[in-house]
Amino acid sequence: DSGVTQTPKHLITATGQRVTLRCSPRSGDLSVYWYQQSLDQGLQFLIQYYNGEERAKGNILERFSAQQFPDLHSELNLSSLELGDSALYFCASSLDQTRDEQYFGPGTRLTVT
Amino acid sequence: GENVEQHPSTLSVQEGDSAVIKCTYSDSASNYFPWYKQELGKRPQLIIDIRSNVGEKKDQRIAVTLNKTAKHFSLHITETQPEDSAVYFCAATLQRGSYIPTFGRGTSLIVHP
Repeated sequence: DSGVTQTPKHLITATGQRVTLRCSPRSGDLSVYWYQQSLDQGLQFLIQYYNGEERAKGNILERFSAQQFPDLHSELNLSSLELGDSALYFCASSLDQTRDEQYFGPGTRLTVT
Repeated sequence: GENVEQHPSTLSVQEGDSAVIKCTYSDSASNYFPWYKQELGKRPQLIIDIRSNVGEKKDQRIAVTLNKTAKHFSLHITETQPEDSAVYFCAATLQRGSYIPTFGRGTSLIVHP
């Protein structure tokens, strides 16, 4: 167990809908990263937050957004869902921006039908 | 940006044999190289990492080597066991404000008893 928690474990929804994925980092970690893992694209970095502020952006679609709250948990919002958004979404955390080790949560499996 | 190539995509070995997975990266500024093991439907788990100021690192049956000049790094697993069967991902990480890894596409390791 990495200490990173994610909810829900599974999510099934229809095209066009909006969902919110939640992540709680390890105790003491200030940085949260979101990744998408799909069969065709592999593991892709989406976005990073540090202590409530956005720090880095990767291959994140405009339909997706995220935020990190004062208690350091983070939410990834996916809207206008398409079939191709079906994937495993992982959150990872690290102590701060100077630490390179990241610890992954168990993931949320999103299925868009 | 960084580009990471990982080979082979599938590796099948007999229990007790050694397994080697190789990765190359494109950005010479990358300075941190983690390896993750991911079992089916589970989260990626950090198993070993190496930083650019080190050429080799070993932890029991696993070792990682780094050749900065050639921009490649490898994972070596000795005395493989069936429980080593999983997908292994390499990553190359740049620090540009934050540490954001670029992942290889993964190697599915199958260890036959």
